[in-house]
Amino acid sequence: AQKVTQAQTEISVVEKEDVTLDCVYETRDTTYYLFWYKQPPSGELVFLIRRNSFDEQNEISGRYSWNFQKSTSSFNFTITASQVVDSAVYFCALMYGGSQGNLIFGKGTKLSVKP
Amino acid sequence: KAGVTQTPRYLIKTRGQQVTLSCSPISGHRSVSWYQQTPGQGLQFLFEYFSETQRNKGNFPGRFSGRQFSNSRSEMNVSTLELGDSALYLCASSLAGLARFNLITDTQYFGPGTRLTVL
Repeated sequence: AQKVTQAQTEISVVEKEDVTLDCVYETRDTTYYLFWYKQPPSGELVFLIRRNSFDEQNEISGRYSWNFQKSTSSFNFTITASQVVDSAVYFCALMYGGSQGNLIFGKGTKLSVKP
Repeated sequence: KAGVTQTPRYLIKTRGQQVTLSCSPISGHRSVSWYQQTPGQGLQFLFEYFSETQRNKGNFPGRFSGRQFSNSRSEMNVSTLELGDSALYLCASSLAGLARFNLITDTQYFGPGTRLTVL
């Protein structure tokens, strides 16, 4: 069965701290896609990144970085030097099933960055 | 350029009725995907359309259906509404779709959502 687990329900950090959000997935498919989304208090979802199963290169975008490890079925997200504007709920998602595939989300991790 | 727009923003219906929600993608985007968000079930994927064809589908009953027009605008229909259908319905658009887009040039953009309340 396919599954996405975000074990951290809520995380609270102080501004400028680094924080890592964990995402563990389960799938038997060899081709799949992993996503991260951000939902700030305003409610509008923001796409952050997509990774396919054949690309295990880590990704860095400014203060954001992603660590994809197939060996541990994890796709973790790190925010370096966190800022108050990073406060949001972050969702990890898995797309599987080929051309008529499904996309499933984790329950989300609520990140609070305090000044 | 204009973002993804969803209409209406708020809707109140009663059980048994049907509802149609609309999503207008960013100009040039051919993929529209739909999502349901509830406090209990979280975020769930409904379906994705690309060039008027359904490409991917979540695990929702047949009461939930969609379509996409030649101008890429998409509608989602829910028939025989149930109380559990009360949710925030989000749509998103992208150039080439969830599993196809070029990582460098494509991004998914979400609309503000339609808040549906079923009484």
